[in-house]
Amino acid sequence: ETGVTQSPTHLIKTRGQQVTLRCSSQSGHNTVSWYQQALGQGPQFIFQYYREEENGRGNFPPRFSGLQFPNYSSELNVNALELDDSALYLCASSQYPRNSSYEQYFGPGTRLTVT
Amino acid sequence: GIQVEQSPPDLILQEGANSTLRCNFSDSVNNLQWFHQNPWGQLINLFYIPSGTKQNGRLSATTVATERYSLLYISSSQTTDSGVYFCAVRDPQGGSEKLVFGKGTKLTVNP
Repeated sequence: ETGVTQSPTHLIKTRGQQVTLRCSSQSGHNTVSWYQQALGQGPQFIFQYYREEENGRGNFPPRFSGLQFPNYSSELNVNALELDDSALYLCASSQYPRNSSYEQYFGPGTRLTVT
Repeated sequence: GIQVEQSPPDLILQEGANSTLRCNFSDSVNNLQWFHQNPWGQLINLFYIPSGTKQNGRLSATTVATERYSLLYISSSQTTDSGVYFCAVRDPQGGSEKLVFGKGTKLTVNP
């Protein structure tokens, strides 16, 4: 069984630039969620994708956008980067509809630094 | 939306000690997970426990859904248990699988 993978591991960008982060879901999972974790805080929900469509969104501006592909992998795009976007970005996958649980599994994260 | 509170925020133990971490939530839930975040940022699944009690080695967890709290027990702690422990619940509002996290408990186990 393949776990959730994310790329790249680390990324440094300049304010105003655009960035794309990638996630491959755990095998057998069809739903991907993205979270932002600022230093010293718990992860905050950005959005979720199911069947290639956004299925729920947290309190993040439209410059945060995403995609899900037919193989259930996903991308998170952030435009017009701001210094406050510096954070650990986590991807989680799960199976919907669920057979037994709502359990989500997380990838190792991408650490984004905006200078 | 649902609120999740964890206590204590920080905990320092000597190796071999036992500890209890608490998670309170403000609404009924059908998904509660405990995670351990290692120093590299990876969230490791510890328990999926919307109700009842589970045990896995030195760790166990209990969720009393009717009273809206969950407890994580760590016995005979080891230095490798250090890190941040998060409780997360599924937000019952909306149709997504959104997890709402607490702020975490930072555990330091000294040799």
